[in-house]
Amino acid sequence: SQQGEEDPQALSIQEGENATMNCSYKTSINNLQWYRQNSGRGLVHLILIRSNEREKHSGRLRVTLDTSKKSSSLLITASRAADTASYFCATDAQAGGTSYGKLTFGQGTILTVHP
Amino acid sequence: EAGVTQSPTHLIKTRGQQATLRCSPISGHTSVYWYQQALGLGLQFLLWYDEGEERNRGNFPPRFSGRQFPNYSSELNVNALELEDSALYLCASSLGLAPDTQYFGPGTRLTVL
Repeated sequence: SQQGEEDPQALSIQEGENATMNCSYKTSINNLQWYRQNSGRGLVHLILIRSNEREKHSGRLRVTLDTSKKSSSLLITASRAADTASYFCATDAQAGGTSYGKLTFGQGTILTVHP
Repeated sequence: EAGVTQSPTHLIKTRGQQATLRCSPISGHTSVYWYQQALGLGLQFLLWYDEGEERNRGNFPPRFSGRQFPNYSSELNVNALELEDSALYLCASSLGLAPDTQYFGPGTRLTVL
């Protein structure tokens, strides 16, 4: 079963606008990662935020993590047509500090950026 | 630096046959992971190998198996193929047992007819 729930399922915006995607999860985690997937191809790693971090930036990306609410958000600022893709959050669950190795993915948000 | 590579890109098999998928991790990475992305089911964890050993397994039947070689490359075998095994199979690698970024390859598209 999927641990993560993402919303919205689909997001359509104009170039230059900001895009915000949200992710919720259920168990304690080591870290949370965001990935992008173009047209059913491989996943491109965007950013990793550890459980003891609250916010992280990478270029036009800003990720927040609220472990008390078990939620994360990904903000893409000044979006471009090339940002059109599916975006997934993935959590690395842990028990007693040990990782199970597996990432549990949300269903993803399909982002369409119109030129 | 070369990323994770997978072969073949596409694979077409008939029901009941066996499929073998291959993955080469990023140089220096010792952990290899396999995931299945089937239509409507999302990304599901299959297997995790590190230092040649299976460390964790997802909720898949035993006909999904694999191994990791001394050079850390990995092979996923799917026996007695069923139509629902049609999916994109993704391999990822990371630096090791510590929870860390998993870097994904381009995937192998398996079609079972």
